[in-house]
Amino acid sequence: TQLLEQSPQFLSIQEGENLTVYCNSSSVFSSLQWYRQEPGEGPVLLVTVVTGGEVKKLKRLTFQFGDARKDSSLHITAAQPGDTGLYLCARTGTASKLTFGTGTRLQVTL
Amino acid sequence: DSGVTQTPKHLITATGQRVTLRCSPRSGDLSVYWYQQSLDQGLQFLIQYYNGEERAKGNILERFSAQQFPDLHSELNLSSLELGDSALYFCASTTGTGYGYTFGSGTRLTVV
Repeated sequence: TQLLEQSPQFLSIQEGENLTVYCNSSSVFSSLQWYRQEPGEGPVLLVTVVTGGEVKKLKRLTFQFGDARKDSSLHITAAQPGDTGLYLCARTGTASKLTFGTGTRLQVTL
Repeated sequence: DSGVTQTPKHLITATGQRVTLRCSPRSGDLSVYWYQQSLDQGLQFLIQYYNGEERAKGNILERFSAQQFPDLHSELNLSSLELGDSALYFCASTTGTGYGYTFGSGTRLTVV
C-alpha cells in the first residue's frame, strides 16, 4: 500500500524552466526525506525535513514541509539536464524504515 | 562510490533457483535495510537488521530470508524464484539514528 502520493508522475521540460514536484499523504509525517535516483544507481539523499513549515534550500532546489506535516514540495529553479532522474519522497516509520512515494520521473532536455 | 557495496551488480537465473545477494554497509553503520524496486510497485521495504539482529520486516515473502553477520555485512537469500521476483534489490545503511540513509548501487535480478 502506497502511503505517499507524488505528482506529477512524469515531467518533461526544457533547460531553464522551473518545476514543482509534490508529495502528499493522508497521515502526519514525523520527518520526510527527498531522494534523487539516476538510472543504474541507488537513491541519493537530498534533504531531510522535520519541522512543519520548514523550508530548506540546496542550490537551485527548494524543499518545503507543509505546516500540518502531511505534504511536501520540491521546487527546482532553472532546471538543467543534470537534474534528470527519479525524484522520491520518503517518510520514516517504525525502526526508522523508509516508506517511499510513487516517484516523479523528470526529464530535462536542452 | 556511496560506501555501500552490493554484489553482484547483475544476476540472471532461472525460475525455481536460489540466489544470494550481498551487501557491505558503509563503515561505521550498524543498520542495514533491504529494498525491492520494481516498475509496478516502486521501492518496497523488505527487512532491516541492526548490529546482527532483525529489527523490522516489511513486504518480504516467505521464500526470502536475510541475515547480518558479525562483520556487519548482510545477505539476502531468494529461493524458489519466480518471474515476478525480477527487480532491482537495494541495500541501504545508516548509523541507526533514522537519518542519513546511504544506498548501494543495487543488484538487478532477472528471472527467466
